[in-house]
Amino acid sequence: NAGVTQTPKFRVLKTGQSMTLLCAQDMNHEYMYWYRQDPGMGLRLIHYSVGEGTTAKGEVPDGYNVSRLKKQNFLLGLESAAPSQTSVYFCASSYKGHTQYFGPGTRLTVL
Amino acid sequence: KNQVEQSPQSLIILEGKNCTLQCNYTVSPFSNLRWYKQDTGRGPVSLTIMTFSENTKSNGRYTATLDADTKQSSLHITASQLSDSASYICVVSPGSNYQLIWGAGTKLIIKP
Repeated sequence: NAGVTQTPKFRVLKTGQSMTLLCAQDMNHEYMYWYRQDPGMGLRLIHYSVGEGTTAKGEVPDGYNVSRLKKQNFLLGLESAAPSQTSVYFCASSYKGHTQYFGPGTRLTVL
Repeated sequence: KNQVEQSPQSLIILEGKNCTLQCNYTVSPFSNLRWYKQDTGRGPVSLTIMTFSENTKSNGRYTATLDADTKQSSLHITASQLSDSASYICVVSPGSNYQLIWGAGTKLIIKP
């Protein structure tokens, strides 16, 4: 089992550009999450999904959109990237409220 | 405001020594407390999860304790190894998996 995978691993964008981060899990988990991690701060939840076709806002949703068209995939979109979105993005999945399993992260730099 | 504070921010110890990391939280209501290990450049990996009624839980050389009355938890690492070098993150759940309160972590460096 691959667990949780994320693509790409690294990306550099210019201000105003758009991109999509892909998360895939092969554990048949219902719940999936997108977090961002910034230096000196705890992980912050951007959006989450409790099942295929459902999404909800987390703590810091502004500037991001998500989609969960298939149970195993959770996409995070940045429509118009800003320097404040420079961060490391982690995807996670879980069986309902149990332990979350994380992907390896995507390091995004917005110039 | 729900908060999780960890101390120290960073810690350097020699290989083979023991250490204890601290976590204080002001989260209400309380459902469970988790410790994660995050290697540099990797995603967090779960070490332990404790509910209100559990005082201690072990995972190999890692032992977590919880005092729900004082809202404190600690993670004790025994006989440290070089592979223990990582950030250790304390996470408190007030009841749902999408409301986790994450600490900023303690960066632990093990020197040979």
